[in-house]
Amino acid sequence: GQQVMQIPQYQHVQEGEDFTTYCNSSTTLSNIQWYKQRPGGHPVFLIQLVKSGEVKKQKRLTFQFGEAKKNSSLHITATQTTDVGTYFCAGSGNDMRFGAGTRLTVKP
Amino acid sequence: SQTIHQWPATLVQPVGSPLSLECTVEGTSNPNLYWYRQAAGRGLQLLFYSVGIGQISSEVPQNLSASRPQDRQFILSSKKLLLSDSGFYLCAWRTGLNGPLHFGNGTRLTVT
Repeated sequence: GQQVMQIPQYQHVQEGEDFTTYCNSSTTLSNIQWYKQRPGGHPVFLIQLVKSGEVKKQKRLTFQFGEAKKNSSLHITATQTTDVGTYFCAGSGNDMRFGAGTRLTVKP
Repeated sequence: SQTIHQWPATLVQPVGSPLSLECTVEGTSNPNLYWYRQAAGRGLQLLFYSVGIGQISSEVPQNLSASRPQDRQFILSSKKLLLSDSGFYLCAWRTGLNGPLHFGNGTRLTVT
């Protein structure tokens, strides 16, 4: 399967600050997916990136797929308390392996 | 619309007891099915996945097993639970090899 590494493991920000999490793979990914898990909940699909260099936006969230399709990032602009949770990336393939996740906490 | 059901929501079991967690999907045919385990505050560990009835791929050798007796039913079992089996068990489905995963609400298992 396609292993992905994710950093940082934790991020604590003041409300209004920006946040970024990074996902890296040693092999080329066919595509990458991002999920959000709220505390106590289950992961929920956010987005899928397929093309080299692809950039997608969802309101304050910006997702990027690297040119070599080996890395990806999720950037949140002006975090809000509703952004709290753990963000996971996953390299898509038959087995769907997830990164370790980045836990975001936001201080109001 | 498609839905996924996973039960029970919480479970407390003594060490050495058996386990059976069930997951069913409605509204789709021939889904790819997955079992993940998440330790407290940790990432998602892929345990098993299935691309069809009777087809199970195991990712981690351990005292757990999975079965898919019907197209939309996925069962996670153990004959004898260990303390280390405690965790949050998540079932998920998707269509094809590249679509998004849809997770159930999970089962919180505590082995005492």
